[in-house]
Amino acid sequence: DAGVIQSPRHEVTEMGQEVTLRCKPISGHNSLFWYRQTMMRGLELLIYFNNNVPIDDSGMPEDRFSAKMPNASFSTLKIQPSEPRDSAVYFCASRTGVNEQFFGPGTRLTVL
Amino acid sequence: QQQVKQSPQSLIVQKGGISIINCAYENTAFDYFPWYQQFPGKGPALLIAIRPDVSEKKEGRFTISFNKSAKQFSLHIMDSQPGDSATYFCAASSEYYGGSQGNLIFGKGTKLSVKP
Repeated sequence: DAGVIQSPRHEVTEMGQEVTLRCKPISGHNSLFWYRQTMMRGLELLIYFNNNVPIDDSGMPEDRFSAKMPNASFSTLKIQPSEPRDSAVYFCASRTGVNEQFFGPGTRLTVL
Repeated sequence: QQQVKQSPQSLIVQKGGISIINCAYENTAFDYFPWYQQFPGKGPALLIAIRPDVSEKKEGRFTISFNKSAKQFSLHIMDSQPGDSATYFCAASSEYYGGSQGNLIFGKGTKLSVKP
């Protein structure tokens, strides 16, 4: 199995630019999660989809962040405009039912 | 009430020693308590998990101890090895209720270093 696939693995951009992170969940998984990891705040849940529908986006920091899941095999997390404080590692995870969450390798975002 | 408090932040153990990481929670509705292991440059991966109907679960060198009345659970790594050096996260969720309440609440993590 390929596991959860995220792209890009690393992204360096300048403040004000749009950033799009991509995730392909494990086939057959019906829930998808976006997390942000920083030293200060640890792992934070940003948004959670169930059957492609956003269920809880209360963790999205502000309107600059948006996420979509147009189909069961693809999701995006977009930041527009990006700011230096958005620098973090962003993880996508998927699961089926209430079982184990499987995490992708993450995207390390640096906003200069 | 949604917090999971984890300690210590970092831990250094000699090879062959016992590593102990503790977590405390407040929400009595939590009914699923996993531990995740994360190596540098990788995503977290499930290591071991427990439900509150048992007080202990052991898988190889890894044991979860669970104290429901104290609302605490801990990870014990016996015969710690340099390959165990990683960051460990405890988490909790309310799987029974499902939906958003089934989402994992993570502790802040413990960076474990096992010295040879």
